[in-house]
Amino acid sequence: QQQVKQSPQSLIVQKGGISIINCAYENTAFDYFPWYQQFPGKGPALLIAIRPDVSEKKEGRFTISFNKSAKQFSLHIMDSQPGDSATYFCAANGAGAAGNKLTFGGGTRVLVKP
Amino acid sequence: DGGITQSPKYLFRKEGQNVTLSCEQNLNHDAMYWYRQDPGQGLRLIYYSQIVNDFQKGDIAEGYSVSREKKESFPLTVTSAQKNPTAFYLCASTPLSHYGYTFGSGTRLTVV
Repeated sequence: QQQVKQSPQSLIVQKGGISIINCAYENTAFDYFPWYQQFPGKGPALLIAIRPDVSEKKEGRFTISFNKSAKQFSLHIMDSQPGDSATYFCAANGAGAAGNKLTFGGGTRVLVKP
Repeated sequence: DGGITQSPKYLFRKEGQNVTLSCEQNLNHDAMYWYRQDPGQGLRLIYYSQIVNDFQKGDIAEGYSVSREKKESFPLTVTSAQKNPTAFYLCASTPLSHYGYTFGSGTRLTVV
């Protein structure tokens, strides 16, 4: 079964600090790795994504680092703000005969303390 | 504004009842998906559909059914065969040429 393992389950960071969330995958056929941000009672929203031919992608305070040989990727949130307090999910896309589908990690609840 | 509308926001089901969750999108997306979210388990795929009148089982399809009679609509029925239906249900869509999903706001289903 395709799996994406995410850690930690939760983390607390001070305002201005760096939040780091890690994900590992097994299926080398995965071809797209997005991160989603979810606030309580809402649907997830696409935050940033990367393809396996790129080792790093940065958008504002959010950076994805990708290590293809280790089958790992991570999200770094720089200068964390209280408004970043949310649950973050990594995911991986698998293409098949029946179409594309995302497999999600278990999620990380981030709390940024003022 | 384009988007995905899920209704109702909250739904209560009695034991042995079938209930249907609505998902409508006006984004002209071809692919639509249903995920179930439980605390600590992330999102798990129930069913997905790439085109009208065709759909595929995901990882946890047992106890659920779907239809795709229109491009804009992908309703999910939670049948009485689903023994533990209490969860947050999320619908998503994407163009076939793109992998980034757009999610709805979800339906929280509770068995009473």
